[in-house]
Amino acid sequence: SYELTQPPSVSVSPGQTARITCSGDALPKQYAYWYQQKPGQAPVLVIYKDSERPSGIPERFSGSSSGTTVTLTISGVQAEDEADYYCQSADSSGTYAVFGGGTQLTVL
Amino acid sequence: EVQLVESGGGLVQPGGSLRLSCAASGFTFSSYEMNWVRQAPGKGLEWVSYISSSGSTIYYADSVKGRFTISRDNAKNSLYLQMNSLRAEDTAVYYCARGGGGPRCFDYWGQGTLVTVSS
Repeated sequence: SYELTQPPSVSVSPGQTARITCSGDALPKQYAYWYQQKPGQAPVLVIYKDSERPSGIPERFSGSSSGTTVTLTISGVQAEDEADYYCQSADSSGTYAVFGGGTQLTVL
Repeated sequence: EVQLVESGGGLVQPGGSLRLSCAASGFTFSSYEMNWVRQAPGKGLEWVSYISSSGSTIYYADSVKGRFTISRDNAKNSLYLQMNSLRAEDTAVYYCARGGGGPRCFDYWGQGTLVTVSS
């Protein structure tokens, strides 16, 4: 079955830039999405269609794509950004949704 | 304001059944694809099932195929998940998620309902 691979954890100091990668063979063909999930809460969409930001999401969140890897970048990280981040896309046929394993972002 | 409210979770024995519901409001329910996504305790997100806006197209993850049935009632603005032959590994918080923002994207989520399969 199709898999998306993320690093289990990323740590950054406040004000620094955090980059979380996600790799998958179908990413050149399928859009990638990113979700933020804080403890005890439902996920929230923070990036759609590789690099678009939903209304209400701070400008410090951005997304990019290059080949089989997509990247979520959080510029000027704040303490409130500490959360789990999941990438998500679809398999090569576009039928089935797939999530990455998630990355725990720690703000030091 | 978009709202998705799940209900129907609880404790069930292995082999048992449960029906989850998701009440939608704040948008034209009949115009949107809908999904169920689950999260086992301490684990990541797993997509479970998809249903098109009309209900004519349905997909399931391999892990639930043949045991779970997704359905919707557009007149009642409601989404359902009938879960049969439940296993311990089905224990999870089940989220209702609206399809939007792109193909297979989930733009709004409910708060989830916990299903525990245990004897």
